[in-house]
Amino acid sequence: DAGVTQSPTHLIKTRGQQVTLRCSPKSGHDTVSWYQQALGQGPQFIFQYYEEEERQRGNFPDRFSGHQFPNYSSELNVNALLLGDSALYLCASSLGGGGYQETQYFGPGTRLLVL
Amino acid sequence: DQQVKQNSPSLSVQEGRISILNCDYTNSMFDYFLWYKKYPAEGPTFLISISSIKDKNEDGRFTVFLNKSAKHLSLHIVPSQPGDSAVYFCAASEAGNQFYFGTGTSLTVIP
Repeated sequence: DAGVTQSPTHLIKTRGQQVTLRCSPKSGHDTVSWYQQALGQGPQFIFQYYEEEERQRGNFPDRFSGHQFPNYSSELNVNALLLGDSALYLCASSLGGGGYQETQYFGPGTRLLVL
Repeated sequence: DQQVKQNSPSLSVQEGRISILNCDYTNSMFDYFLWYKKYPAEGPTFLISISSIKDKNEDGRFTVFLNKSAKHLSLHIVPSQPGDSAVYFCAASEAGNQFYFGTGTSLTVIP
């Protein structure tokens, strides 16, 4: 049973550039959530996708956008990168639109460094 | 404002003894709580959960206790093993909405 996969594992960009991160959910899951984990912090919720729509959004600017494909995989796009965007980006999958008391399963993350 | 707090950044325990990791939250509407374990260079791994209708949930060596009146939960690991050394995050949500995570507690189990 394939777990959550993410690509790439590491990425280096410069300020002002744009980046796209990818996530494939755990087999059978239809909901994808994205988190940003800065050094020494817990994961911070960015947004969640279900049925190809953004279902919930955390306190992140519009520079952060996403997409979910019909096969439930997802992309996270960040425009106009800032140094402060350097972090581990985690994707988590769950079932049923992240409904009541659904557990989220995490991928290994993509470590982004902005220079 | 941090809605979920883990006030102990680190904890060291002898192998075979009990590890107790604590977590406090401020939002009384949270009704589902989880613990995740994270090794370096890996994503968080789900460990155990508890619904607000319960005050205890047990899974093998891991037990989570929930005290709603104190807005406090704890994770007990008995007996602790060296392989339990990792960072532990607690997380909380309201009605399946976004999860809020604590900042983590780094557990070291000394052989």
